[in-house]
Amino acid sequence: KNEVEQSPQNLTAQEGEFITINCSYSVGISALHWLQQHPGGGIVSLFMLSSGKKKHGRLIATINIQEKHSSLHITASHPRDSAVYICAVRGNEKLTFGTGTRLTIIP
Amino acid sequence: DGGITQSPKYLFRKEGQNVTLSCEQNLNHDAMYWYRQDPGQGLRLIYYSQIVNDFQKGDIAEGYSVSREKKESFPLTVTSAQKNPTAFYLCASRDRGILSGANVLTFGAGSRLTVL
Repeated sequence: KNEVEQSPQNLTAQEGEFITINCSYSVGISALHWLQQHPGGGIVSLFMLSSGKKKHGRLIATINIQEKHSSLHITASHPRDSAVYICAVRGNEKLTFGTGTRLTIIP
Repeated sequence: DGGITQSPKYLFRKEGQNVTLSCEQNLNHDAMYWYRQDPGQGLRLIYYSQIVNDFQKGDIAEGYSVSREKKESFPLTVTSAQKNPTAFYLCASRDRGILSGANVLTFGAGSRLTVL
């Protein structure tokens, strides 16, 4: 079993829909990162959180430490949100990455 | 603007050749990392460095080597000992301070290596 599991692996939705991507982990962590990878390969850090909830524009990330679970939400989704979203957890100096969720938003 | 520059973006290599991927950052970050990405797998850590002149093996260091002679530079050499080097390689850096915004990872655009 992977230490970091993401679901779904692939998600296709219509423009405007509310999107939820889930991340579950099995190890103790000091922080959790949500990353976005566009088709060209470059990765952008969206959030780093260790408790509660963070919001940036249409993106919201939540984490439940007791349940070892985090969610990334996108409100009013847009085709430019199409990308691979990656969850990563930090234990000491090391990050462990999920395999990513490929999101496609159809106009 | 501050960021991480990786070069080359695409690289082709013949079997048995060593190749060096460049990673330069002007963010004044202490920690730097090299990851490998393969289809269907999460990023895997090759090497990391927390300070100049010091680096540690990651999970898949065999067949790779690094150096950290300057704070801003962390080149990765893929040696002929790496049995399956075709992959996408990502360099990242992190400010290990305690100020707001610290500990966020910044990634380069990646280098795609293909062994012919």
